[in-house]
Amino acid sequence: GAGVSQSPRYKVAKRGQDVALRCDPISGHVSLFWYQQALGQGPEFLTYFQNEAQLDKSGLPSDRFFAERPEGSVSTLKIQRTQQEDSAVYLCASSLEALALYEQYFGPGTRLTVT
Amino acid sequence: GENVEQHPSTLSVQEGDSAVIKCTYSDSASNYFPWYKQELGKRPQLIIDIRSNVGEKKDQRIAVTLNKTAKHFSLHITETQPEDSAVYFCARTGGGNKLTFGTGTQLKVEL
Repeated sequence: GAGVSQSPRYKVAKRGQDVALRCDPISGHVSLFWYQQALGQGPEFLTYFQNEAQLDKSGLPSDRFFAERPEGSVSTLKIQRTQQEDSAVYLCASSLEALALYEQYFGPGTRLTVT
Repeated sequence: GENVEQHPSTLSVQEGDSAVIKCTYSDSASNYFPWYKQELGKRPQLIIDIRSNVGEKKDQRIAVTLNKTAKHFSLHITETQPEDSAVYFCARTGGGNKLTFGTGTQLKVEL
């Protein structure tokens, strides 16, 4: 079956531009996560959705970062007024259930480069 | 704290040898411990996981051990092959569903 997909795969933005990154989770998965992975580092948590509810946004680094999942399936991560430190791979993951004991399936990521 | 310490950061082994990667954590609420393999430019892929009510789990050449008292868990790969070369991340969940990842281990299996 289809896995988690993300688009675009690569995005180059000039400093100050807004970007929108899309995640299509596995169909029927309740939980959706966004992570940020800097070069040579492990993924770091940004935010978590259970269906359409954003239950945890403690990892969002600033108020320039905004995420939504209005119908409980597709999610969009928006970054306003991009800065060079926002350059990273943004990974989306989904999980079947809302419990913490279930595998998270990752998408291929969007590599964002801010120039 | 929430951090997960992972060692070593790089590991080079000869084909056929075993590789061991260790992680430690401090949050006693942690109850799920997955290991991910990430090849260059690819997505993290789960290779094995363990839950807090189990001390050891094995899947063919891969095994994970968990010591909840000492708060550490380890990945063991036996009979390593060149295709095992990748970056390996340990992770844990604690209070909540988010994963906290280790800093990664670059494993290189040499012919």
